Amino acid sequence: DTGVSQNPRHKITKRGQNVTFRCDPISEHNRLYWYRQTLGQGPEFLTYFQNEAQLEKSRLLSDRFSAERPKGSFSTLEIQRTEQGDSAMYLCASSPPPGLAGAHNEQFFGPGTRLTVL
Amino acid sequence: AQSVSQHNHHVILSEAASLELGCNYSYGGTVNLFWYVQYPGQHLQLLLKYFSGDPLVKGIKGFEAEFIKSKFSFNLRKPSVQWSDTAEYFCAVGGSYIPTFGRGTSLIVHP
Repeated sequence: DTGVSQNPRHKITKRGQNVTFRCDPISEHNRLYWYRQTLGQGPEFLTYFQNEAQLEKSRLLSDRFSAERPKGSFSTLEIQRTEQGDSAMYLCASSPPPGLAGAHNEQFFGPGTRLTVL
Repeated sequence: AQSVSQHNHHVILSEAASLELGCNYSYGGTVNLFWYVQYPGQHLQLLLKYFSGDPLVKGIKGFEAEFIKSKFSFNLRKPSVQWSDTAEYFCAVGGSYIPTFGRGTSLIVHP
């Protein structure tokens, strides 16, 4: 399967613990996005990478959230000192470079990591 | 800033009924518009997209959408829905590299 993969698929943690999620994008995609989705809502943008550079970060993203994409391939999203309000589905998506045939900012999504904070 | 509004949050139809889901956007520049679908238990996938040219775009599974610039709209349509169309549908606007998604419409099709 050459789609976007995310691990783990489910994570249950206690409030105050740190968690880390991983995303492996489609190999030729240089753009990578993290979103958060809660029940009844659309994906909410968290952060965006182009290659290894983190170019955008949502103002809604607290300092407890950090993301990396060290070699421009996979990415990790870490949440420190988790709170119950962090419970959500965390989605990763990737996009091909603009200018490639058919590349118009459409995104390819992974299955998501469902986080439950007790 | 860009924004997307989906007016119908829940739609329930019988098989063979026609479907139209509303989507209005706000963005000052050249837009790319998308509809994504999320079937139960599956991840989000692209249904169709508009970036230029013919404002009537056709996607997978018989869906189509019409871009009406004067109304800032990109409504999704299907002439005859099937039970397998039961899913969440999300409209998105992507003028920049960072798309903005609507809150989604939950469609239930009764057999």
